[in-house]
Amino acid sequence: ETGVTQSPTHLIKTRGQQVTLRCSSQSGHNTVSWYQQALGQGPQFIFQYYREEENGRGNFPPRFSGLQFPNYSSELNVNALELDDSALYLCASRYDGVAEAFFGQGTRLTVV
Amino acid sequence: AQSVTQLDSQVPVFEEAPVELRCNYSSSVSVYLFWYVQYPNQGLQLLLKYLSGSTLVESINGFEAEFNKSQTSFHLRKPSVHISDTAEYFCAVSISGAGSYQLTFGKGTKLSVIP
Repeated sequence: ETGVTQSPTHLIKTRGQQVTLRCSSQSGHNTVSWYQQALGQGPQFIFQYYREEENGRGNFPPRFSGLQFPNYSSELNVNALELDDSALYLCASRYDGVAEAFFGQGTRLTVV
Repeated sequence: AQSVTQLDSQVPVFEEAPVELRCNYSSSVSVYLFWYVQYPNQGLQLLLKYLSGSTLVESINGFEAEFNKSQTSFHLRKPSVHISDTAEYFCAVSISGAGSYQLTFGKGTKLSVIP
């Protein structure tokens, strides 16, 4: 039990649509990161938020965006979905200044 | 930039036999090292970590890993595996002291324990 919960667990969307994935972190975890894990691959860093500001981004296009809220929840938004966006999306949170991150169980997104 | 190479994509091993999952990394700066485990249809669970100090780190369920700076390796070992160890294992690095601590993962090693 990591104390990080994601919703929904599974989601099916049509190409071109928009999707919002949600994450609820442990109280006090003011840094949240999102990762994309394609089938058979390791997780890839999308971006990170610290105190509601984006402070790091991986090699993902601007149609991937996020929000972080004061209540330790966060969102990942993906616009104009493509088939290759089908993946497990993982949220990870941690305390500021601490390297150890705690992951949620992920949201499985399927784009058809 | 950092990179992580997990040399074996799949490792089958008989129950109660020893196992080693290999991980090598590349980085021009000091790193922190992690092993995460992923059970089917689940997220990642931290198995063990190396931040500083003793180069040999251990988990509560019998796994250990040794940081070897000269060989840039962080191999995961267990002297006797159990059926419940069947899972996918990911090695990851982050830059030490950078503050962002974003993780760079390997592609994973699927450990299958055979009864």
